[in-house]
Amino acid sequence: DIQMTQSPSSLSASVGDRVTITCQASQDISNYLNWYQQKPGKAPKLLIYDASYLQPGVPSRFSGSGSGTEFTFTISSLQPEDFATYYCQQYDNARVFTFGPGTKVDIK
Amino acid sequence: EVQLLESGGGLVKPGGSLRLSCGVSGFTFSSYGMHWVRQAPGKGLEWVSLVSSSSDYIYYADSVKGRFTVSRDNAKNSLYLQMNSLRVDDTAVYYCARERLTCGNINCPPGDWGQGTLVTVSS
Repeated sequence: DIQMTQSPSSLSASVGDRVTITCQASQDISNYLNWYQQKPGKAPKLLIYDASYLQPGVPSRFSGSGSGTEFTFTISSLQPEDFATYYCQQYDNARVFTFGPGTKVDIK
Repeated sequence: EVQLLESGGGLVKPGGSLRLSCGVSGFTFSSYGMHWVRQAPGKGLEWVSLVSSSSDYIYYADSVKGRFTVSRDNAKNSLYLQMNSLRVDDTAVYYCARERLTCGNINCPPGDWGQGTLVTVSS
């Protein structure tokens, strides 16, 4: 089974900061990697699919990159509404959709 | 507007059964694969199952295989999750989610999500 790791597990940042989260797969998953945002008590929201494609309606300050086993998620200028937990998710074989453990972004 | 509404959650004893439902509106249900994803209290997300638009293929996480059964009724715009032999570690909020219609793979990730229904397994 493919395992997903994320780093850091949490971070503190200020409004306007550039924030970067990394996600690592235990084996090559090509670009089959998605990023979700979840706020407390709310359902997750798909932000990025296939490593770098922005879901329609998602602000352009969010971006993703990478392929193979190493992926990066970036918020170019953190906004107050971006404080949340972010999850990566792989779906290399399209039969199992494994989430990473999450990265909590909170206010410094 | 796309809407997904889960129901059927509640308190059940270990070894018991529960059936969750997900009613949808605002899109052509029969055109989309549907996912179930769960989240234990204070924990991360765990994918549970995917059923294709016409139910011709269904996939499960190893943690629920043999105990959970997903089904759908396209005429009723409804998705179901039959959960048997429930364990304490099945306690979670269960979300249904519509598959993203297009992506680079044969099946696509969850795109739009419901608000979830809480299942508590406890004696």
